[in-house]
Amino acid sequence: QKEVEQDPGPLSVPEGAIVSLNCTYSNSAFQYFMWYRQYSRKGPELLMYTYSSGNKEDGRFTAQVDKSSKYISLFIRDSQPSDSATYLCAMTAYSGGGADGLTFGKGTHLIIQP
Amino acid sequence: ETGVTQTPRHLVMGMTNKKSLKCEQHLGHNAMYWYKQSAKKPLELMFVYNFKEQTENNSVPSRFSPECPNSSHLFLHLHTLQPEDSALYLCASSQPGTRYGYTFGSGTRLTVV
Repeated sequence: QKEVEQDPGPLSVPEGAIVSLNCTYSNSAFQYFMWYRQYSRKGPELLMYTYSSGNKEDGRFTAQVDKSSKYISLFIRDSQPSDSATYLCAMTAYSGGGADGLTFGKGTHLIIQP
Repeated sequence: ETGVTQTPRHLVMGMTNKKSLKCEQHLGHNAMYWYKQSAKKPLELMFVYNFKEQTENNSVPSRFSPECPNSSHLFLHLHTLQPEDSALYLCASSQPGTRYGYTFGSGTRLTVV
């Protein structure tokens, strides 16, 4: 079983729709969860950063973490064509004070149709 | 310049060549990372440097050799690569002890012929 599972898509939705992206993971030590957005020919860009279980909202983006189910989600409201990109989930146990590498999902390719 | 800068953006090299990838960060971070991104695979962590000391080598073949002369610069020296090493190589930085995530560069697209 892979450490982080993420459906690669592509996921195609009409402009204005609510988008739901998710990842499952197997390592119960993970406690910091991130979502990155990656445009073609660019490096990943941090979108959301959450600690442990709960919800976090930032503008049109909401991140949810359910540690009991080992399941994280990213919701995008009022989706725009400019949201078309690959969305990567990432996570780490992060002991604090040290430098910890991230474990990534494969990424979901999202297409917002005008 | 701000952020994380990687050069070159594109590199084509033969299997017998030696080349180097460069990464520079202007964020005052003390940790730097090399990741490999291949098609249809998750980003793979290669190396971690914390305060210029290598703290992790994720079973990377010796044909990849990292160098971190200071907290702002990171190099990846390449020699006798294989075609399957063709990928996007991403550099990232972070500040240990904080919760602000990682900042990535735009990557070097490497093609081994």
